[in-house]
Amino acid sequence: AQSVSQHNHHVILSEAASLELGCNYSYGGTVNLFWYVQYPGQHLQLLLKYFSGDPLVKGIKGFEAEFIKSKFSFNLRKPSVQWSDTAEYFCAVNEAGGGNKLTFGTGTQLKVEL
Amino acid sequence: DGGITQSPKYLFRKEGQNVTLSCEQNLNHDAMYWYRQDPGQGLRLIYYSQIVNDFQKGDIAEGYSVSREKKESFPLTVTSAQKNPTAFYLCASLTRRVGGAEAFFGQGTRLTVV
Repeated sequence: AQSVSQHNHHVILSEAASLELGCNYSYGGTVNLFWYVQYPGQHLQLLLKYFSGDPLVKGIKGFEAEFIKSKFSFNLRKPSVQWSDTAEYFCAVNEAGGGNKLTFGTGTQLKVEL
Repeated sequence: DGGITQSPKYLFRKEGQNVTLSCEQNLNHDAMYWYRQDPGQGLRLIYYSQIVNDFQKGDIAEGYSVSREKKESFPLTVTSAQKNPTAFYLCASLTRRVGGAEAFFGQGTRLTVV
C-alpha cells in the first residue's frame, strides 16, 4: 500500500536558518507530489507541486522541493526561514494512474524563533 | 464561485449515534476524498471515490461509510462502530489536468461526540 513518511515531526529553527524537511513515499508507479502548509488556525494551503519535468520545483514564499525518483523522495527546502513560516507542513502523494489515491504524511511542525 | 462545501462546520453528537457529514463540490471533479485530521497524525484517508457509484476504503475506513450517488456529493457517515469519532474531518476533490493533478479542500467539519 502506498505510504508517505515525514521523518521530522517537530523542527525548531532560528530566523534566517536554512530548512529541509524530508518526505519519502513508497509507491512505485508514476506520482504527483505536493507540499501543503497549514498555518495556526488556518486551512491547508498548497505550497508547491511536482508533476513531471524539472525535478526541482519552486513554490510560493521562497520554498522549493526536489524530486529524487531513485530515492522516492520529495524534500522541501527554504534557504532562510522567517518567523511567519511557523506552521505545520504536509507532504502528499497522488498515484497518477490506477487508483488515484491521494495520501498525506503525518506532518512536520515547524517553529521558527526570533 | 466554484469550490467544495462542507457542512456543518461544527457538529455535536451523543455517543452511539450515527452522524452524516456533507460534502458538495461544483468543480466537476471526478475524484473525491475524506480525511480525518488529528494532532500529530496528519491527514489520514478514510474513503475515496474516483467516479459516481464507486468508492474505495482508505487507511482508516473502519466505522465509517460513504456513498457517491451523484458526482457533486460525497457524504460521510460516522457510525457508532467508530471507536474515537471526535476529530476534524476534511473533504477534498481532485482534478486531473494536462501534466498532473490538483486537489481542492473544503473548510472542514469538527465533530465532537459527547
